[in-house]
Amino acid sequence: QKEVEQDPGPLSVPEGAIVSLNCTYSNSAFQYFMWYRQYSRKGPELLMYTYSSGNKEDGRFTAQVDKSSKYISLFIRDSQPSDSATYLCAIGGRSRRALTFGSGTRLQVQP
Amino acid sequence: NAGVTQTPKFQVLKTGQSMTLQCAQDMNHNSMYWYRQDPGMGLRLIYYSASEGTTDKGEVPNGYNVSRLNKREFSLRLESAAPSQTSVYFCASSEVGDTYGYTFGSGTRLTVV
Repeated sequence: QKEVEQDPGPLSVPEGAIVSLNCTYSNSAFQYFMWYRQYSRKGPELLMYTYSSGNKEDGRFTAQVDKSSKYISLFIRDSQPSDSATYLCAIGGRSRRALTFGSGTRLQVQP
Repeated sequence: NAGVTQTPKFQVLKTGQSMTLQCAQDMNHNSMYWYRQDPGMGLRLIYYSASEGTTDKGEVPNGYNVSRLNKREFSLRLESAAPSQTSVYFCASSEVGDTYGYTFGSGTRLTVV
């Protein structure tokens, strides 16, 4: 079993839709939860960073962490074609000093 | 612009050839990482350096070696390239370990024929 599971998609939605992206993880020791966005042929860039359970909002993006269920989510409101990218979840905070990434979900927002 | 610089951006190697991928960061970060990205596999950690003078194996270290030359630079070497090493390689850095977000370079697309 992978430490972090993420549905690879692709996920195709119309412009303006609410998008929900999700990851599950197996080790309850993880403490730091991040979402990265990766445009085609580019490096990933940090989008959201959260610590512990709860919600964090930044503009149209909301990151949600449920540590009891080992489940993290990223919501995108009023999705735009410019949101079309691959979204990777990442978790960290154990004794190992490197993030563990999900495999990424490819999102396509249709104009 | 501050960030992580990787060279080269593209490379084609023949099986058995060697090469070094270069990475430099100018953010005074302590930790640096090398990942490879393959379709459907996500980002897999090859090696990392938690601080200057230290290096550790990641998930897929076989066939690779690394050097943390100084605080800024972290290189990845393929001693005898194999077709299975065809991938996109990303270097990243962070302030300290995995408690902060990473800054990634733009990647090196490597093809081994």
